[in-house]
Amino acid sequence: KQEVTQIPAALSVPEGENLVLNCSFTDSAIYNLQWFRQDPGKGLTSLLLIQSSQREQTSGRLNASLDKSSGRSTLYIAASQPGDSATYLCASVIPDNYGQNFVFGPGTRLSVLP
Amino acid sequence: KAGVTQTPRYLIKTRGQQVTLSCSPISGHRSVSWYQQTPGQGLQFLFEYFSETQRNKGNFPGRFSGRQFSNSRSEMNVSTLELGDSALYLCASSLKVSTDTQYFGPGTRLTVL
Repeated sequence: KQEVTQIPAALSVPEGENLVLNCSFTDSAIYNLQWFRQDPGKGLTSLLLIQSSQREQTSGRLNASLDKSSGRSTLYIAASQPGDSATYLCASVIPDNYGQNFVFGPGTRLSVLP
Repeated sequence: KAGVTQTPRYLIKTRGQQVTLSCSPISGHRSVSWYQQTPGQGLQFLFEYFSETQRNKGNFPGRFSGRQFSNSRSEMNVSTLELGDSALYLCASSLKVSTDTQYFGPGTRLTVL
């Protein structure tokens, strides 16, 4: 059974800092890995999707890497801003008996202080 | 293009009742997935529908069911509600299968008293 963990559970940084969020998964047979952000009381916003054959994806100040062999993904946020404050979740997409299945991590709650 | 919409946004029910939640995907999207989010269990996958067929199901009891219509709109139903069913229910749509980028709705907050 796939398990996804995220470290740290919460993080508080001053504006302008670069930071790294970590995601670990136990089953390396994934189709892809996705990063989302969730603002309080709202749905999820897709940030980056890394296919299993890829090593990294970039979008603006965000860079996500994937190392299937070690079961790890990282989300790098450059020059953090207060608007980046949210909960960040990673999700591994794995095959199961019926088809693909999403397994989410518990999330990292990020606070960027002005 | 309009995003994913979910109705109702908030719902209060009592134990034993049943509830139906609705999700309208982004126009042209054929895959709809449902998730339950609680503080204790986090985000858990419920099921995915594609072209009116359930193609994947998470580890939830049979009280949780769903369906998808020919216009890709989807409903999920929870029968015999329990206190533990209180959660934020999120729906997501994607163009083809759920392995594509998913676009989430704002969710329906269900409270069971």
